[in-house]
Amino acid sequence: QSGLTQSPSASGTPGQSVTITCSGNTSNIGNNDVFWYQHPPGTAPQLLISLNSQRPSGVPDRFSASKSGTSASLAISGLRSEDEAAYFCAAWDDTLSGLVFGGGTMLTVL
Amino acid sequence: EVQLALSGGGLLQPRRSLRLSCTASGFDFHAHSFSWVRQAPGKRLEWLGLIRSKPSGGATEYAASVKGRVFLSRDDSKSVAYLIMNHLKTDDTAVYYCARGERPIDYWGQGTLVTVSS
Repeated sequence: QSGLTQSPSASGTPGQSVTITCSGNTSNIGNNDVFWYQHPPGTAPQLLISLNSQRPSGVPDRFSASKSGTSASLAISGLRSEDEAAYFCAAWDDTLSGLVFGGGTMLTVL
Repeated sequence: EVQLALSGGGLLQPRRSLRLSCTASGFDFHAHSFSWVRQAPGKRLEWLGLIRSKPSGGATEYAASVKGRVFLSRDDSKSVAYLIMNHLKTDDTAVYYCARGERPIDYWGQGTLVTVSS
């Protein structure tokens, strides 16, 4: 299935930090901006990170992201129970001429 | 508050057409592009296409997987974006989302379940 690659699950305890990675290729992450979304169950996805590392207004600074080459990562520090959600990355793909998504990483706060 | 309300989902038969309406509020509709995304059960999100704002030319772009079967339009006077999908297949069963923007998509609607079954 075309798209970006994410680990299906991640976990941590309250207060801990966790990193979620997203890998692609030169057609997508390597040549375009990466966006990260939080998708709690039963709700609409929410933009968490724009343009590789920019937090929209209202997003806590516990969330940070970076991009290097054809990979990107989302870091969440000071885990809280309300962070339990699916997180997915997205980037435009020049070859496919469309937006591609990661498969999503389900974060469990133990 | 930005809101995107989808209507038109539900149970549809194969080979019929789907028409979704995305009614927007809380922002200047005519200034924004709108993207459509779906997620089939157990699958990743799939981008279907986008329609740009009229100030940006109003062009549409479609995913190769649905090109020729999906048509996007907008009525800025009503703040509504539309998706029409023809010749439905069972594989089109998914939660469909309308969303504001393209890069980035900055707001998503709640999504509506479309089930294609005879």
